[in-house]
Amino acid sequence: QSALTQPASVSGSPGQSITISCTGTSSDVGGYNYVSWYQQHPGKAPKLMIYEVSNRPSGVSNRFSGSKSGNTASLTISGLQAEDEADYYCNSYTSSSPLYVFGTGTKVTVL
Amino acid sequence: QVQLQESGPGLVKPSQTLSLTCTVSGDSVSSGSYYWSWIRQPAGKGLEWIGRIYTSGSTNYNPSLKSRVTISVDTSKNQFSLKLSSVTAADTAVYYCARGAAWLQSGPFDYWGQGTLVTVSS
Repeated sequence: QSALTQPASVSGSPGQSITISCTGTSSDVGGYNYVSWYQQHPGKAPKLMIYEVSNRPSGVSNRFSGSKSGNTASLTISGLQAEDEADYYCNSYTSSSPLYVFGTGTKVTVL
Repeated sequence: QVQLQESGPGLVKPSQTLSLTCTVSGDSVSSGSYYWSWIRQPAGKGLEWIGRIYTSGSTNYNPSLKSRVTISVDTSKNQFSLKLSSVTAADTAVYYCARGAAWLQSGPFDYWGQGTLVTVSS
């Protein structure tokens, strides 16, 4: 199973909204509502931001939202802030093997 | 507060076995509510799921590593471990342990260790 496809980089100015895409197949992203998103600052462990497409864990800002259409999931960050500058990875649980496949990662830059 | 902490050698020789342990605090590996996973990340690259274990001892592995991986759990020490055999330079990476919610089909990883760098070199 190949890695999910994400854009290498996305940038935006403070206060703007940006969207990161995550494209898979009908065997993973398109087949189930099991996409999660992780934020990773340099030298740090990933942090869960969204699970099962659009659910936010407790403590995650409501500026982060998720959606899905067909084989592509999306993470939107609204009201972009300097602290949002990080790498973002999508992940899909699949019913086949491997159970989890990650995206290629997207570097978000706040201009 | 749940915490996970990886430990183990930072340098492993080629063809040898990489062994790491994840010590869990603030939760119990035998609670039955979570899966316990290992995930790795080569420098400058993306994340790769290695495998997971449930408190019952049931495991799932990434098929790309399955022939070389063993994940086990020690409930008496509240730890779970990773063994990766016949390592090569391609196994050099930061290794993370993580907790996954078992009550959700997708088992998202809600807590992670800080990660430990393992270098494979002679």
